[in-house]
Amino acid sequence: DSGVTQTPKHLITATGQRVTLRCSPRSGDLSVYWYQQSLDQGLQFLIQYYNGEERAKGNILERFSAQQFPDLHSELNLSSLELGDSALYFCASSVEGDRQETQYFGPGTRLLVL
Amino acid sequence: LAKTTQPISMDSYEGQEVNITCSHNNIATNDYITWYQQFPSQGPRFIIQGYKTKVTNEVASLFIPADRKSSTLSLPRVSLSDTAVYYCLVGEGNFNKFYFGSGTKLNVKP
Repeated sequence: DSGVTQTPKHLITATGQRVTLRCSPRSGDLSVYWYQQSLDQGLQFLIQYYNGEERAKGNILERFSAQQFPDLHSELNLSSLELGDSALYFCASSVEGDRQETQYFGPGTRLLVL
Repeated sequence: LAKTTQPISMDSYEGQEVNITCSHNNIATNDYITWYQQFPSQGPRFIIQGYKTKVTNEVASLFIPADRKSSTLSLPRVSLSDTAVYYCLVGEGNFNKFYFGSGTKLNVKP
């Protein structure tokens, strides 16, 4: 158990819909990262937050957005969903958000868009 | 951009030593090299990190040559439970981005 929690574990929705994925970092970690992993693909970095502020942005679509709240939990919002958005979405956290730090990953949310 | 290149897959047998090499020709001076392990439908898990020469912990060793353009993860005496995908991660230039690549799928056979 990494200490990072993600909800929900599974999510099934339809094209065109909007969903919100939630992540709670390890206690004491200030930085949160979001990754997307499609079937049999590697991890694609989406976005990073540090103490409520966006720190780095990767291959995140304009239909996707994220935020980190004062209690440090984070949400990833996916809108106008397409079939190709079906994937595992992982959240990770680290203490200071420095790129040399170990990232601790949550169990993931499996999103299926029908 | 310090993107990484790894073999797509490797096969091994229980009890053997496995070496997985990652190329990162454009690694930045201040970048560390980090390896993660991922089992199916689980989040990646940190294995080992190094900057240069050799690092060893209770599960693996990491060898980094002087030019740092590659690194080799060494898993001693693998077991069936080591069957997983292994990713090498370096920073992406001066930006705080994270490129995991496609990883190496290690299949350990009995």
